[in-house]
Amino acid sequence: EAQVTQNPRYLITVTGKKLTVTCSQNMNHEYMSWYRQDPGLGLRQIYYSMNVEVTDKGDVPEGYKVSRKEKRNFPLILESPSPNQTSLYFCASSLSRSTDTQYFGPGTRLTVL
Amino acid sequence: QKEVEQNSGPLSVPEGAIASLNCTYSDRGSQSFFWYRQYSGKSPELIMFIYSNGDKEDGRFTAQLNKASQYVSLLIRDSQPSDSATYLCAVGNYGGSQGNLIFGKGTKLSVKP
Repeated sequence: EAQVTQNPRYLITVTGKKLTVTCSQNMNHEYMSWYRQDPGLGLRQIYYSMNVEVTDKGDVPEGYKVSRKEKRNFPLILESPSPNQTSLYFCASSLSRSTDTQYFGPGTRLTVL
Repeated sequence: QKEVEQNSGPLSVPEGAIASLNCTYSDRGSQSFFWYRQYSGKSPELIMFIYSNGDKEDGRFTAQLNKASQYVSLLIRDSQPSDSATYLCAVGNYGGSQGNLIFGKGTKLSVKP
């Protein structure tokens, strides 16, 4: 089954404790992206990757890191989480660019205390 | 600043009626238009995409695009309670390396039995 998976689905952590949210897709998509979704603000892009070893900032990259060492995986790293990073996070992939149909993962609800 | 505007709703319609969801966008160079459905706490899923002016029908759903007016809409015929969700409009421009995809903040639809 073609899908995007994310782990963990739910996470409660404390300020400053490094965490990683994993994202994996099995569709051989070149383009992968991370979004955060907050009430009243909609979906905002954090980082994206056009292919292996090619990543770039989206609209709200502060406080986040990413890496793309393999085509299928695109982890999101919060080195020192803060309460303003409490949000619902989605990983998405598409064939080759953002304007292709996006396939979203199930989401990760993160709470930073 | 490129923008995609949607009425936040909630839009309430009775079961069996036609629901009309509207979206306007600011970038005249936009070339691809998507409607995603998002149930509460779940990830967005693609309903339809449209690239050319006019109507595109898929089952109970019809997407309408008017590039001159910078307007895209989604009609849902014979609305069902299961259609109750938030509908996200996304507008894409192929310029730049990854393209530029902007999401609206969504319209919440409620279908009453």
